Amino acid sequence: DAGVIQSPRHEVTEMGQEVTLRCKPISGHDYLFWYRQTMMRGLELLIYFNNNVPIDDSGMPEDRFSAKMPNASFSTLKIQPSEPRDSAVYFCASSLRDLGSGNTIYFGEGSWLTVV
Amino acid sequence: GNSVTQMEGPVTLSEEAFLTINCTYTATGYPSLFWYVQYPGEGLQLLLKATKADDKGSNKGFEATYRKETTSFHLEKGSVQVSDSAVYFCALTYFNKFYFGSGTKLNVKP
Repeated sequence: DAGVIQSPRHEVTEMGQEVTLRCKPISGHDYLFWYRQTMMRGLELLIYFNNNVPIDDSGMPEDRFSAKMPNASFSTLKIQPSEPRDSAVYFCASSLRDLGSGNTIYFGEGSWLTVV
Repeated sequence: GNSVTQMEGPVTLSEEAFLTINCTYTATGYPSLFWYVQYPGEGLQLLLKATKADDKGSNKGFEATYRKETTSFHLEKGSVQVSDSAVYFCALTYFNKFYFGSGTKLNVKP
């Protein structure tokens, strides 16, 4: 089975530009998570969806960030306008069920974003 | 609240040395505990997990035991290899959220 697929793998953009990161979860997984990883703050949960519905977006840093999941096989994370402090690795992850009883999440390989 | 504290790295060992990476947690209720590993340029992969007190998770020679009395989940391996060089994350889940530690980088020298 294919794992979680993210694109682009690497993106370099200028400050003020719009950035769109894409994710295809593992087929059949009901939950999708977006994380951000930086040296300073480690791994942060930005938002997660259940059956395409956003459940908790309390980790989204500010209004410049938005996420959508129009169907079960696709999600986007958008940053508009981008700023240098948004430079990070953004991970998408999915899980088959909720995280009770030790269910596991599966991570994509990440989108490495650099804003100059 | 819920949180995970890991020993700071980097940890540098020679091949075949014994590895311990300490992890302690704070949680309300009874979380599940995990170790994830991240190789350079890749996402996180599940290494092992334990879902209740006294459970031992194991995989690829790594082990960790869920100790409720000391709120710990230390990762151990008897003999590390160069290929084990990576960043290791301790984590817990509670009410549909993962709480990750800051990660411990392991360097294994030949």
